[in-house]
Amino acid sequence: EAGVAQSPRYKIIEKRQSVAFWCNPISGHATLYWYQQILGQGPKLLIQFQNNGVVDDSQLPKDRFSAERLKGVDSTLKIQPAKLEDSAVYLCASSSGSGTGDYEQYFGPGTRLTVT
Amino acid sequence: AQKVTQAQTEISVVEKEDVTLDCVYETRDTTYYLFWYKQPPSGELVFLIRRNSFDEQNEISGRYSWNFQKSTSSFNFTITASQVVDSAVYFCALISGTYKYIFGTGTRLKVLA
Repeated sequence: EAGVAQSPRYKIIEKRQSVAFWCNPISGHATLYWYQQILGQGPKLLIQFQNNGVVDDSQLPKDRFSAERLKGVDSTLKIQPAKLEDSAVYLCASSSGSGTGDYEQYFGPGTRLTVT
Repeated sequence: AQKVTQAQTEISVVEKEDVTLDCVYETRDTTYYLFWYKQPPSGELVFLIRRNSFDEQNEISGRYSWNFQKSTSSFNFTITASQVVDSAVYFCALISGTYKYIFGTGTRLKVLA
């Protein structure tokens, strides 16, 4: 079974530029998560999708961040414009979300973003 | 409110020592799930175990064991005979009625040869 795929793995941009990250979850997983992990900290949930609907985006800085999950499969996370403090690893995870307790998440390798 | 506390920021042990990582959680829901994840230096978070609130049985998997105690709201993780490959950051997490995932701040474990 293929794992969670993310691209790109690394990205360096200047502040005020735009960037987009892509995630393809494990096949059949209904729930998809985007996290921001700053060096030395735990993952911070940015947005959670159940199929193609948003379950939680309370910590997503909506003035600059946006995310979509068209057709309930893969997802993109965009930052526009980027700030220095956006430098972090962006993690995508998925879970089956079957409602029977299968809530363990499977994570992708992450995208390391550096904003200069 | 939901909360996960991992009070130990960093632990260092010598190889073959036993080590326990603490996790204390808060939730008002009666149905919830607890998890442990491992983040090795390579960076990819790996799921280790899930426990639901109705199952307080302790679990052992090889050198890993987990102690779930509702009375103290704790879900502690013990590594027996630690190895250098166990060096990683370990995260405890909680999901309950709102289905929001809450991660602790993590405990960095260093196992010295």
